[in-house]
Amino acid sequence: LAKTTQPISMDSYEGQEVNITCSHNNIATNDYITWYQQFPSQGPRFIIQGYKTKVTNEVASLFIPADRKSSTLSLPRVSLSDTAVYYCLVGPGGYQKVTFGIGTKLQVIP
Amino acid sequence: DAGITQSPRHKVTETGTPVTLRCHQTENHRYMYWYRQDPGHGLRLIHYSYGVKDTDKGEVSDGYSVSRSKTEDFLLTLESATSSQTSVYFCAISGGAGGADTQYFGPGTRLTVL
Repeated sequence: LAKTTQPISMDSYEGQEVNITCSHNNIATNDYITWYQQFPSQGPRFIIQGYKTKVTNEVASLFIPADRKSSTLSLPRVSLSDTAVYYCLVGPGGYQKVTFGIGTKLQVIP
Repeated sequence: DAGITQSPRHKVTETGTPVTLRCHQTENHRYMYWYRQDPGHGLRLIHYSYGVKDTDKGEVSDGYSVSRSKTEDFLLTLESATSSQTSVYFCAISGGAGGADTQYFGPGTRLTVL
């Protein structure tokens, strides 16, 4: 699986847009990019997944440049409830054995 | 939320005793996983299953065994618990269908080995 690099922590004020970038220089042609969110004392929760360009759902947007060597998770107008750890995963389609890493700890400040 | 339950949710045990954690799903998903989560290490894969009676090791499998005798249940056993196995254990499931596999996680089991 492709190695990913993301910031260990980020702070943001309520109401701001937050962008978390993940680097994955050795992404393979058949790899997808998936983001999970984990609140304290809970298991991770799927947020969004993409292969190329832009994907948007009711929670977030995922921007993937043409070379796919990085991706950016965008959370619009964050609230205190968005305080969580965010994980970026890169892996092939279908079943995969994944490693979650440490993720990015986002702290939203009032 | 996906139908995944873990039992027990909390357990305190002593070094050297056997411990079994249960993961139960009602989604009929083919794939099941056990992870442990420790401060500074993120989630690490212990074992996974790709079908009934089909299991394989993850990155931190030493000291753990698993069994899957039916689709809905995936058991994680610590044959002789050690203090280093104190952790939060998460079970996950996935269907393996289309795109990249999306995993759905259970609520976790907090295990303390004294």
